[in-house]
Amino acid sequence: SQQGEEDPQALSIQEGENATMNCSYKTSINNLQWYRQNSGRGLVHLILIRSNEREKHSGRLRVTLDTSKKSSSLLITASRAADTASYFCATEGSGGSNYKLTFGKGTLLTVNP
Amino acid sequence: DGGITQSPKYLFRKEGQNVTLSCEQNLNHDAMYWYRQDPGQGLRLIYYSHIVNDFQKGDIAEGYSVSREKKESFPLTVTSAQKNPTAFYLCASSTPKAQNIQYFGAGTRLSVL
Repeated sequence: SQQGEEDPQALSIQEGENATMNCSYKTSINNLQWYRQNSGRGLVHLILIRSNEREKHSGRLRVTLDTSKKSSSLLITASRAADTASYFCATEGSGGSNYKLTFGKGTLLTVNP
Repeated sequence: DGGITQSPKYLFRKEGQNVTLSCEQNLNHDAMYWYRQDPGQGLRLIYYSHIVNDFQKGDIAEGYSVSREKKESFPLTVTSAQKNPTAFYLCASSTPKAQNIQYFGAGTRLSVL
């Protein structure tokens, strides 16, 4: 079952602008992760935020988590053409350590030079 | 180089044929996963394994089978019972020592002749 849902489905911006993607989920989680996928390739992990954390930074990435609203956002600052990719949120459910992640459908980000 | 290797990169299946997708990892991870990705969609879990000689069905296991005889290997067989096998297949692995972040292979694209 799909738990994470990203919004928007597609986003097109100019190089240097910031990109914000949102993710909503339905049940309690241990953590929420963001992954990136270049066209036709495997996914690469970007950042993980635990359920007791509200914000996390990694380089040009900023992730927020609001467990009361069951939502997260990924901000990419000062975007580059090389950031063009699909971005997926994935949630690890709470209530048992089964390692499984549930992925959303992704946001396709296009950064125009 | 440590990582996950999927082969082949492209695979073609004839009507009524079973095909096997290979996934090998040298990361010493206990858990391994198989996902299916359809165009413009997120990842859907087919099977996963937390330990050698044990595996569990994911959300869309019908028409697929797996084995986990070695820690390093988790092959996926797409059987003739899978009537719509055309998709991009991704293998991943994880370990609780690395917060269960999943590491992905480059994928196998399966098409039907």
